[in-house]
Amino acid sequence: QVTLKESGPVLVKPTETLTLTCTVSGFSLSNARMGVSWIRQPPGKALEWLAHIFSNDEKSYRTSLKSRLTISKDTSKSQVVLTMTNMDPVDTATYYCARTLRIVVVPAAYDASDIWGQGTMVTVSS
Amino acid sequence: DIQMTQSPSSLSASTGDRVTITCRASQSISNYLNWYQQKPRKAPVLLMYAASRLQSGVPSRFSGSGSGTDFTLTISSLQPEDFATYYCQQSYSPPLTFGGGTKVELK
Repeated sequence: QVTLKESGPVLVKPTETLTLTCTVSGFSLSNARMGVSWIRQPPGKALEWLAHIFSNDEKSYRTSLKSRLTISKDTSKSQVVLTMTNMDPVDTATYYCARTLRIVVVPAAYDASDIWGQGTMVTVSS
Repeated sequence: DIQMTQSPSSLSASTGDRVTITCRASQSISNYLNWYQQKPRKAPVLLMYAASRLQSGVPSRFSGSGSGTDFTLTISSLQPEDFATYYCQQSYSPPLTFGGGTKVELK
């Protein structure tokens, strides 16, 4: 059974750095054509894709947050870590991690997040 | 970045209705389009990828179509469990982006 679980602080102060960990089970972060994405959702608002990392260490970031985000993985621990610097109240949101597959349908390959964690709510407030 | 625009932002429908949701990309994305369903206080669920390919386990009343910039998600006969918010997402090029969502409510 594939599961993902987010962990991290519930409350952070403005200007602090947020570190979130996604611990996965049921698959390996070294599996070909598999990765993990981070997505957030401010209260009552739409989903926002933040970043992803694949087994080959390919990484991508949300353009508007690129200078503040870092994604990394520790395959031996089955963990993907997202750090976001200089937190602001507008970053208050539920943060999800999700397994992302690179699905091959010849001749193309499609990225889609098929299994999601339950999400963790992060509030930014002094 | 590629912008994704969904319409309508909300709709009211009855059980058994045929429902169509539209998603438009700011540039051509071929068929690199995913659809997700999200229920309140729950994580999203992947419904469809490659615009028209049904994810395993998703009921066949869901279908998707489109290519280039215009896409649709159709629910052929709305069931009680389908009242939710639906999001499209482009996977043509990073950063991957979501649409603003379409909330399907009970009329």
